[in-house]
Amino acid sequence: AQTVTQSQPEMSVQEAETVTLSCTYDTSENNYYLFWYKQPPSRQMILVIRQEAYKQQNATENRFSVNFQKAAKSFSLKISDSQLGDTAMYFCAFRNRDDKIIFGKGTRLHILP
Amino acid sequence: DGGITQSPKYLFRKEGQNVTLSCEQNLNHDAMYWYRQDPGQGLRLIYYSQIVNDFQKGDIAEGYSVSREKKESFPLTVTSAQKNPTAFYLCASSNSGSQYFGPGTRLLVL
Repeated sequence: AQTVTQSQPEMSVQEAETVTLSCTYDTSENNYYLFWYKQPPSRQMILVIRQEAYKQQNATENRFSVNFQKAAKSFSLKISDSQLGDTAMYFCAFRNRDDKIIFGKGTRLHILP
Repeated sequence: DGGITQSPKYLFRKEGQNVTLSCEQNLNHDAMYWYRQDPGQGLRLIYYSQIVNDFQKGDIAEGYSVSREKKESFPLTVTSAQKNPTAFYLCASSNSGSQYFGPGTRLLVL
């Protein structure tokens, strides 16, 4: 079975610091997509960043970047210069060949003033 | 204004009652999905549809039903067979790449 594991249920960092959220996944597929979604208190799910497995270059979106290690099946999210608005639940997700997306259980991130 | 809309924002269900959650998208996406989210938990897939007039069960389909008569619409019915329906329901659509989500419907049982 394909699974996504987020080993950090909750994290707190000071504003302006850098934080890294961990994610590992398990699949036998070779081509797939990986995502990080943010869910703020409004509960709206917002796509933060995505990575195609066939691309070796790590994806970046402004202050958000990933460290994609395909062999290790690891997909961590780095948030630089963290801001109060980054406070949210963050979900790592994997899209398989059947177009289904499997989500991890999430990491609750608190940015402290 | 392109996007995914869900209605209502809050929905109350009485015992034995069927209720329907609406999901509409104007992104011209082929695939649509319904997820359930319980407090402090991740998302679990209820049903999904990759094309009009076709849909598949997800991981927790029991007690739910869907239809996909139009590309833009994918309503979810929570039937009386769903014994624990209180949850947050999220609809999403996909362009065969990323999934984009609606704002959600909070379902509560009276």
